[in-house]
Amino acid sequence: EAGVAQSPRYKIIEKRQSVAFWCNPISGHATLYWYQQILGQGPKLLIQFQNNGVVDDSQLPKDRFSAERLKGVDSTLKIQPAKLEDSAVYLCASSPSGRGYNEQFFGPGTRLTVL
Amino acid sequence: LAKTTQPISMDSYEGQEVNITCSHNNIATNDYITWYQQFPSQGPRFIIQGYKTKVTNEVASLFIPADRKSSTLSLPRVSLSDTAVYYCLVVLSGSARQLTFGSGTQLTVLP
Repeated sequence: EAGVAQSPRYKIIEKRQSVAFWCNPISGHATLYWYQQILGQGPKLLIQFQNNGVVDDSQLPKDRFSAERLKGVDSTLKIQPAKLEDSAVYLCASSPSGRGYNEQFFGPGTRLTVL
Repeated sequence: LAKTTQPISMDSYEGQEVNITCSHNNIATNDYITWYQQFPSQGPRFIIQGYKTKVTNEVASLFIPADRKSSTLSLPRVSLSDTAVYYCLVVLSGSARQLTFGSGTQLTVLP
């Protein structure tokens, strides 16, 4: 079974530039998550989708971050404009259902460095 | 969401059993206790989940006392490849299944 795919794996940009990350979840998984992991910390949820609808985006800095999940499959996370403090690993995860507890499957992440 | 507390780091030697304890004093009736493992440059990976008493799978065991205010992840006969960060999470059952990660426990297995 193919896992969660993310691209790019690494990205280096200068502050105030824009960047986009892509995620392809495991086939059939209805729920998709984006997490931000700063070095030395655990992942922090940014946004959760159920199919193509947003379930929770309370921790997403909406003045600069945006995310979409078209057709309930792939998702993109965008930062515009980037700040130095956005340097982190951005993890995408998916799970089979939106109800009850289900194991989350994580991708390898995209490491963003903002200079 | 219940807050969890676990040691920042632990060292062990190959072949030993490792027990990582997590406290979650404010756990609610419908919460599950879940452990994830994360290697460098990888996303977290689910290890085990439990509600009460003992759960065992091919990787680990999870011990949960009756009051559920703490839990212990047990890794039998660790190897160098078990060096990773281990996260204890309390997961609310139902539709709002957020994973709230703490800083985790860095386990280092020495030869």
